[in-house]
Amino acid sequence: DGGITQSPKYLFRKEGQNVTLSCEQNLNHDAMYWYRQDPGQGLRLIYYSQIVNDFQKGDIAEGYSVSREKKESFPLTVTSAQKNPTAFYLCASSIGPGYYGYTFGSGTRLTVV
Amino acid sequence: GENVEQHPSTLSVQEGDSAVIKCTYSDSASNYFPWYKQELGKGPQLIIDIRSNVGEKKDQRIAVTLNKTAKHFSLHITETQPEDSAVYFCAASLTQGGSEKLVFGKGMKLTVNP
Repeated sequence: DGGITQSPKYLFRKEGQNVTLSCEQNLNHDAMYWYRQDPGQGLRLIYYSQIVNDFQKGDIAEGYSVSREKKESFPLTVTSAQKNPTAFYLCASSIGPGYYGYTFGSGTRLTVV
Repeated sequence: GENVEQHPSTLSVQEGDSAVIKCTYSDSASNYFPWYKQELGKGPQLIIDIRSNVGEKKDQRIAVTLNKTAKHFSLHITETQPEDSAVYFCAASLTQGGSEKLVFGKGMKLTVNP
């Protein structure tokens, strides 16, 4: 079955460390997105990519980095520059520009210890 | 840029009652309005969507209405069941600098009491 997979489901990070969250899709979607979810804040866009080897900053990109070397993969790195990284992170994909239906992964919960 | 407001933030109903969630948006160029349901610990799932060329769409117990003049759209759930309990998000499309993305509301937690 086609879908979008995020791993790990839970991740613990020590202060000052970088961590990378994985997002893989086999839906043949061109566009991929990373959102951060905090209680009462809804979904806030971190980065998005509409085609391989290209990506754009979202509303809260500071302290995060991404790459899009393959169509199927869009990993997110939470760097030590992100001051408040504890959150639920969601990856999504869509067919591409002109079609907006997003498929979401099941999320990664990151906790700083 | 686009701003999507969603209200109420929480709603509690009795099983069998109807529930209505309302959203407003600011960008008159928005033309796609999806609704997502998120269960605890999971990612959001698309439940229904509507494009700007129609005013209403139904799928079994759920329906969405769109008023482009007033820039608001609503989700209606009839005959609610306990499994409808979840957080519901509305969203509106935004085209910015040649890129297209969705802007989400803050979500509404629906509780259906048996």
